[in-house]
Amino acid sequence: DTGVSQNPRHKITKRGQNVTFRCDPISEHNRLYWYRQTLGQGPEFLTYFQNEAQLEKSRLLSDRFSAERPKGSFSTLEIQRTEQGDSAMYLCASSFTGGIYNEQFFGPGTRLTVL
Amino acid sequence: TQLLEQSPQFLSIQEGENLTVYCNSSSVFSSLQWYRQEPGEGPVLLVTVVTGGEVKKLKRLTFQFGDARKDSSLHITAAQPGDTGLYLCAGTNQAGTALIFGKGTTLSVSS
Repeated sequence: DTGVSQNPRHKITKRGQNVTFRCDPISEHNRLYWYRQTLGQGPEFLTYFQNEAQLEKSRLLSDRFSAERPKGSFSTLEIQRTEQGDSAMYLCASSFTGGIYNEQFFGPGTRLTVL
Repeated sequence: TQLLEQSPQFLSIQEGENLTVYCNSSSVFSSLQWYRQEPGEGPVLLVTVVTGGEVKKLKRLTFQFGDARKDSSLHITAAQPGDTGLYLCAGTNQAGTALIFGKGTTLSVSS
């Protein structure tokens, strides 16, 4: 039974470049979430998919951010024209609609550094 | 706005000591979850508490949910260096989707 996987684990980029991260959820989970975590903070919600539909977006998700889950399986998060303030850990989580108490299981994260 | 406040923010203790960390809110949550996160990794779910007054035990860790479901605590007995990490509490937002996290308690246990 594999957990949530994320790639790459680390990404260093120059300001202004575009980056894309991938998340593969637990196979039977139909809900997928993206969070961002900066140093000294807990994770903050960015967006949520149920199957392939993006149902909720946070105000943190600026126009430079876009997320997709084309076939209801893996998801990608793209950041265009990166800024130094985008440096953070990007976490993906998944859960099952039929599961109780909204228990979400997290991947290892992608650490983004924008120079 | 639903907020979760955790205290203390940092805790540094010796192996064998006991400790308690707290998670408080002015909002009622249907359930609260506790996660542990190690540097460079994602949070790992430890427990979910759902009933007011509930106490759950996980080896040396004891979790309690307040009667009013607005607060929770985590007590560790005889801490070990392997307990070192960031402890996060989280509750589900009113829409029943996203998790709202506290800022966490960073625990360091030295031998």
